[in-house]
Amino acid sequence: AQKVTQAQTEISVVEKEDVTLDCVYETRDTTYYLFWYKQPPSGELVFLIRRNSFDEQNEISGRYSWNFQKSTSSFNFTITASQVVDSAVYFCALSDYRAGTALIFGKGTTLSVSS
Amino acid sequence: KAGVTQTPRYLIKTRGQQVTLSCSPISGHRSVSWYQQTPGQGLQFLFEYFSETQRNKGNFPGRFSGRQFSNSRSEMNVSTLELGDSALYLCASSLDSPKSYEQYFGPGTRLTVT
Repeated sequence: AQKVTQAQTEISVVEKEDVTLDCVYETRDTTYYLFWYKQPPSGELVFLIRRNSFDEQNEISGRYSWNFQKSTSSFNFTITASQVVDSAVYFCALSDYRAGTALIFGKGTTLSVSS
Repeated sequence: KAGVTQTPRYLIKTRGQQVTLSCSPISGHRSVSWYQQTPGQGLQFLFEYFSETQRNKGNFPGRFSGRQFSNSRSEMNVSTLELGDSALYLCASSLDSPKSYEQYFGPGTRLTVT
């Protein structure tokens, strides 16, 4: 069965610290997609990144970077020089052949950045 | 470009009643997905509609149903409400499959069942 595990329930950091959010996934399919979403206090999920299983290149977007490692079934997310505005709940998600068009979300990691 | 809108934003219902939630996707988007978010179960997929057809369905009882109209607007209905249906219901739209196209979420409808 498909599963996404975000072992870190809550993380607290001080502004300008780097922080890594862990995501471990399980799937039997060879083709699958991984996602990260951010949910600020307003409630709506904000898309951050999508990665397919054939693209293991790491990606950097400003202060955000993602490390995809198929060997360990992990898709970790790092925020460099964190800011108070980064405070939110972050979700990792998986979609494979069996899931169809559904996204299977992890339980989320609540990140609190203090000034 | 207007985002995904959901109405109403908040709703209080009594056990046994039924409720209809509405979602207007981003203009041009043909796929609409619904998710239920609760503290205990997290985010769970309800169903996805594409061009007025249900393309995918999650593991929820038949009390949960939905539909999509020709303008891509979608509604979901929950009949015979139970206390456990209290949740944030999120709607998301994308051009086509959320696997391949960026999916935009609305602010959600907070349903409280008493």
